[in-house]
Amino acid sequence: TQLLEQSPQFLSIQEGENLTVYCNSSSVFSSLQWYRQEPGEGPVLLVTVVTGGEVKKLKRLTFQFGDARKDSSLHITAAQPGDTGLYLCAGVFAGQNFVFGPGTRLSVLP
Amino acid sequence: KAGVTQTPRYLIKTRGQQVTLSCSPISGHRSVSWYQQTPGQGLQFLFEYFSETQRNKGNFPGRFSGRQFSNSRSEMNVSTLELGDSALYLCASSPIAGVSYNEQFFGPGTRLTVL
Repeated sequence: TQLLEQSPQFLSIQEGENLTVYCNSSSVFSSLQWYRQEPGEGPVLLVTVVTGGEVKKLKRLTFQFGDARKDSSLHITAAQPGDTGLYLCAGVFAGQNFVFGPGTRLSVLP
Repeated sequence: KAGVTQTPRYLIKTRGQQVTLSCSPISGHRSVSWYQQTPGQGLQFLFEYFSETQRNKGNFPGRFSGRQFSNSRSEMNVSTLELGDSALYLCASSPIAGVSYNEQFFGPGTRLTVL
């Protein structure tokens, strides 16, 4: 069974700070997605990365896919309270269904 | 375009009962997946349906079942409920199935509490 690890598990920062969260596996992903989930809602897709070494930017969010396609990172610049939520990575392994990591719970304080 | 809808949003049942949850995907989407989310286990895949056929199944007991109708709407059923079945059940729809970079659009979930 493929497992995804995410770190840190919890993160509390002040508005304006930068942060990076990580997603790792011992197996190679076919693709990887990042989601943000807010309380009482379902996860919302932020980005999909497919190619090793790929970097994608979404406003203040930068997503990187590791060269070996076993890890990924999400960097947020100048975090805002609206960034608060549970950040989930989800990987697809060799044509199987999505496997989700446990998530990083981010709290951005004003 | 309307998003994924799930009904009911909240449900309270007692042990031993059975429950049916409903999911209506985004119009035009033919793939529906179901997930269970708990604080301890996170988001776990239950099953995926495409064109009324189950394509994939997660590692859950046979008490968990599902089906998909010709209009792509899907239901999942849990029989003989146990306390551990208390969770947020999420439905996600995709335009197609079998693609590793599929975009999944999640509904708000059904919060099931088993007493």
